[in-house]
Amino acid sequence: GAVVSQHPSRVICKSGTSVKIECRSLDFQATTMFWYRQFPKQSLMLMATSNEGSKATYEQGVEKDKFLINHASLTLSTLTVTSAHPEDSSFYICSASSLAGNTDTQYFGPGTRLTVL
Amino acid sequence: TQLLEQSPQFLSIQEGENLTVYCNSSSVFSSLQWYRQEPGEGPVLLVTVVTGGEVKKLKRLTFQFGDARKDSSLHITAAQTGDTGLYLCAGDRGSTLGRLYFGRGTQLTVWP
Repeated sequence: GAVVSQHPSRVICKSGTSVKIECRSLDFQATTMFWYRQFPKQSLMLMATSNEGSKATYEQGVEKDKFLINHASLTLSTLTVTSAHPEDSSFYICSASSLAGNTDTQYFGPGTRLTVL
Repeated sequence: TQLLEQSPQFLSIQEGENLTVYCNSSSVFSSLQWYRQEPGEGPVLLVTVVTGGEVKKLKRLTFQFGDARKDSSLHITAAQTGDTGLYLCAGDRGSTLGRLYFGRGTQLTVWP
């Protein structure tokens, strides 16, 4: 199946710093990528939908100035957590959408564990 | 309010038992996907069901999509310890962006 990578897999940072997470589709082009965050033993919460060449669409309650998304190419989207605080500590997962037959299928990256001290 | 109600939230069973996980909604989905996720990893797609009434089998896992395309179930026969994980259902309502609506997940633990 399609492969999506994320980098870094883990990051620990001090409060107030910014952290950039990369999401790449390795063997297909994805016009749409999605960013989720997940708390322990809970489901995925959609943060934003990222489209190549246009502004991301953020879900209600997600601060767009805090979670900056850039979808620079058909294979790369980045999420930057600006001025991170301990409450931003979470598991961040991206997915890339690929059309398989007549169905859009989302393939997920392995996730990035962010810990803000 | 969750668009997809997934139950049960937690399931703890012995190896060899059977189990069923349900996802229900009042909304119609163009497709529904089931994922399995292990701690510290991203979800892995198990199956996509598209047609109302469709049944798909993946070894000991049987997936069913309701006739009205509003609900789905995952049945595992003779569970094994390797089946332990978080199972997620996710529905696509057919939007142009392909956004998925996730259920809350079912944390399955299979004991030896």
